[in-house]
Amino acid sequence: LAKTTQPISMDSYEGQEVNITCSHNNIATNDYITWYQQFPSQGPRFIIQGYKTKVTNEVASLFIPADRKSSTLSLPRVSLSDTAVYYCLVGNLTSGSARQLTFGSGTQLTVLP
Amino acid sequence: DAGVTQSPTHLIKTRGQQVTLRCSPKSGHDTVSWYQQALGQGPQFIFQYYEEEERQRGNFPDRFSGHQFPNYSSELNVNALLLGDSALYLCASSPGVGRGLSGGGKQFFGPGTRLTVL
Repeated sequence: LAKTTQPISMDSYEGQEVNITCSHNNIATNDYITWYQQFPSQGPRFIIQGYKTKVTNEVASLFIPADRKSSTLSLPRVSLSDTAVYYCLVGNLTSGSARQLTFGSGTQLTVLP
Repeated sequence: DAGVTQSPTHLIKTRGQQVTLRCSPKSGHDTVSWYQQALGQGPQFIFQYYEEEERQRGNFPDRFSGHQFPNYSSELNVNALLLGDSALYLCASSPGVGRGLSGGGKQFFGPGTRLTVL
């Protein structure tokens, strides 16, 4: 079971870059790393997914070292609307490990003006 | 194009009762997963449906059951409700997961159904 560990909370200021790191020491070979954002009383929203090295899309970057035992979500120039809980999820929906998908407690990011 | 929809949005039940929650996946998605999210915690995987069959199941008792219809919509049923079943129930759909596509599976979540058991 690929358990994940994230900081419970982080504070930042508008316009800054925010990096949230997730540890997943026993990640399996076919596991992917996926990050989700969740606002209160809403379902999680997909941010980015990767397997190794670096992935970038229009909203974030994901850095994964060669050993894949951790990953870092990078949010460039955050705004107040980025205040939310961020979850790191390790697993693979397409394989039998989907039943092990556990979001953990997530990281509460608070962006201050 | 509508995203994932769930009904009802809120529900209040008493202990021992039964409840049915409904989910319509995003257009083009054939795989539906259900999650339970207790207050202050991350979502926990309940089960996954593809081709009208339960494919994978998390650590939840048999009181939790489901169904998927030919149009890919799904229901979650919970029998003999307990106070601890109070939570936000989330439905997530995925494209082509059941066809063994690679990529880890990207999920699209609905807004959830808030269940309160008194």
